[in-house]
Amino acid sequence: GQNIDQPTEMTATEGAIVQINCTYQTSGFNGLFWYQQHAGEAPTFLSYNVLDGLEEKGRFSSFLSRSKGYSYLLLKELQMKDSASYLCAVRDRYSNSGYALNFGKGTSLLVTP
Amino acid sequence: DGGITQSPKYLFRKEGQNVTLSCEQNLNHDAMYWYRQDPGQGLRLIYYSQIVNDFQKGDIAEGYSVSREKKESFPLTVTSAQKNPTAFYLCASGDRGFSTDTQYFGPGTRLTVL
Repeated sequence: GQNIDQPTEMTATEGAIVQINCTYQTSGFNGLFWYQQHAGEAPTFLSYNVLDGLEEKGRFSSFLSRSKGYSYLLLKELQMKDSASYLCAVRDRYSNSGYALNFGKGTSLLVTP
Repeated sequence: DGGITQSPKYLFRKEGQNVTLSCEQNLNHDAMYWYRQDPGQGLRLIYYSQIVNDFQKGDIAEGYSVSREKKESFPLTVTSAQKNPTAFYLCASGDRGFSTDTQYFGPGTRLTVL
């Protein structure tokens, strides 16, 4: 099994930068994913890290440190539409049959004017 | 357009009834997954399938059943044995379950047991 921890809630101001942290413990790490989920909707893929370092995609960046079991999602130039839940998920070897994603409980981000 | 579809979007069921949730994808993905999401909890894996005619139990398979007769389809049946079935159900697919491929989600089905 594994533990994935991320803050429950965060609040930030429109135009600002926010960092959402995720720590994990796993026995067979094979990648870390970030998803965005608006209320009542399906998660949408944001980013993927399998090697240490920073991956940048427009306003969103994701960082991974495998030795520390740590990742963060950085959102720049926040917009009101960024208010959503952000899910950290670790891909691990689930069984002899393959891999599966294990999700954290998500961080609910509120962007205020 | 390519994508994953789930139907229906909202589903109501009486206690003691079985119900089947549909999931179809035209992305030519080999792997398909079913998750359950409850308020304040992360997504939990119910079942997954790496290839046609094969599927594996996830963390919370009790009270659920699946089939994978076609590559495009992975229906989930919520049986009367599932003690607390009211939840948001999400289907996902990916290229290959053994690789680092990303999972993409359908729009979800919200099941309410009356």
